[in-house]
Amino acid sequence: AQSVTQLDSHVSVSEGTPVLLRCNYSSSYSPSLFWYVQHPNKGLQLLLKYTSAATLVKGINGFEAEFKKSETSFHLTKPSAHMSDAAEYFCVVSDPFATSGTYKYIFGTGTRLKVLA
Amino acid sequence: EAQVTQNPRYLITVTGKKLTVTCSQNMNHEYMSWYRQDPGLGLRQIYYSMNVEVTDKGDVPEGYKVSRKEKRNFPLILESPSPNQTSLYFCASSNRGQGGNEQFFGPGTRLTVL
Repeated sequence: AQSVTQLDSHVSVSEGTPVLLRCNYSSSYSPSLFWYVQHPNKGLQLLLKYTSAATLVKGINGFEAEFKKSETSFHLTKPSAHMSDAAEYFCVVSDPFATSGTYKYIFGTGTRLKVLA
Repeated sequence: EAQVTQNPRYLITVTGKKLTVTCSQNMNHEYMSWYRQDPGLGLRQIYYSMNVEVTDKGDVPEGYKVSRKEKRNFPLILESPSPNQTSLYFCASSNRGQGGNEQFFGPGTRLTVL
């Protein structure tokens, strides 16, 4: 079965320092992977996605992620944190059902990023 | 503006009183889905629909119903709500349900069942 593990439920960084949010996945198929961000009392916004093209994916607001098949990881990084990055981040794997052609999206449990002034 | 809308945004109800949360998208997406979000559990899929009249269970379908009579609408029905259905609900849509396609999310509906 497909699954996603976000290794840290909370991460705190100082403004201007690098951000690393870790995600490991399990998939029997060639996965598509996504990172979404949820600001307080807001909906979910796509940061970036990997769909079997370049393994280093650039997203919005300076975020990027690298797909590493050998490590089954898709960690999210940003060189310099900003106060506005404080939010909850979700790693998502798409779960293709090859026989039916339908897809499910499986979410990690989320990482709450705190940015300290 | 391309968007997914949900109504109501907030709802407080009592156990057993049937309710419907509406979801509508204006992007002509085939795939629509409902999720619930609970602290520490992320988002869990309740039901999804690949197209009109085609629906399927997600990971937590018990106590919920859906219908897809029109492409743009995907209502979530709670026939007899219980307190364990108190949660934040999100509707989402995407093209053709293919795994590489981004889902667009509605603003969420916060439901409290007393």
